[in-house]
Amino acid sequence: EPEVTQTPSHQVTQMGQEVILRCVPISNHLYFYWYRQILGQKVEFLVSFYNNEISEKSEIFDDQFSVERPDGSNFTLKIRSTKLEDSAMYFCASRGPGHQPQHFGDGTRLSIL
Amino acid sequence: ELKVEQNPLFLSMQEGKNYTIYCNYSTTSDRLYWYRQDPGKSLESLFVLLSNGAVKQEGRLMASLDTKARLSTLHITAAVHDLSATYFCAVGRQGGSEKLVFGKGTKLTVNP
Repeated sequence: EPEVTQTPSHQVTQMGQEVILRCVPISNHLYFYWYRQILGQKVEFLVSFYNNEISEKSEIFDDQFSVERPDGSNFTLKIRSTKLEDSAMYFCASRGPGHQPQHFGDGTRLSIL
Repeated sequence: ELKVEQNPLFLSMQEGKNYTIYCNYSTTSDRLYWYRQDPGKSLESLFVLLSNGAVKQEGRLMASLDTKARLSTLHITAAVHDLSATYFCAVGRQGGSEKLVFGKGTKLTVNP
């Protein structure tokens, strides 16, 4: 069964450094999302992406964050200058048309030191 | 602002027993989803509920939706240890980005 893949599975970074989280959505999906989950808390929406542009973003998704679909298969989330509070599990999700659920990747655990 | 409330947040039950998890949401919505998450793992889609009165069943789990009451339930029948996980409900809206707004999750522990 097709799945969403994310790399790396775990990223440790010094505060202030840039990180790029990578995702390969399911190939025929058109809608892409990033969510984050701080340890023990609920899953929070960050951003959605459709037709090569951001369709919606949350208050969390400030100027430090950006997304890109550079080559038609990968979907990346960049955090330019990481803060301690960016430590979380970041999930990528994709969705096909119609009434399909979002399919989530296994996540990237981001640890900011 | 759409809010999603789940209860209980923690549920410890014996194998063989029945129980229900509740999910209330604050505004009109078109779609209600249930996901399962095992510790350190991703979110696995369980059910998609699209209309008032929708009921779906898979094994020992049954989900229902009452859009008038803005309530969904996840009913567990004759629980087994393998059902131990965290269960999230999430609400989406048709059109636009259809971002999901999640509840806080219900951590279910099924004891032998």
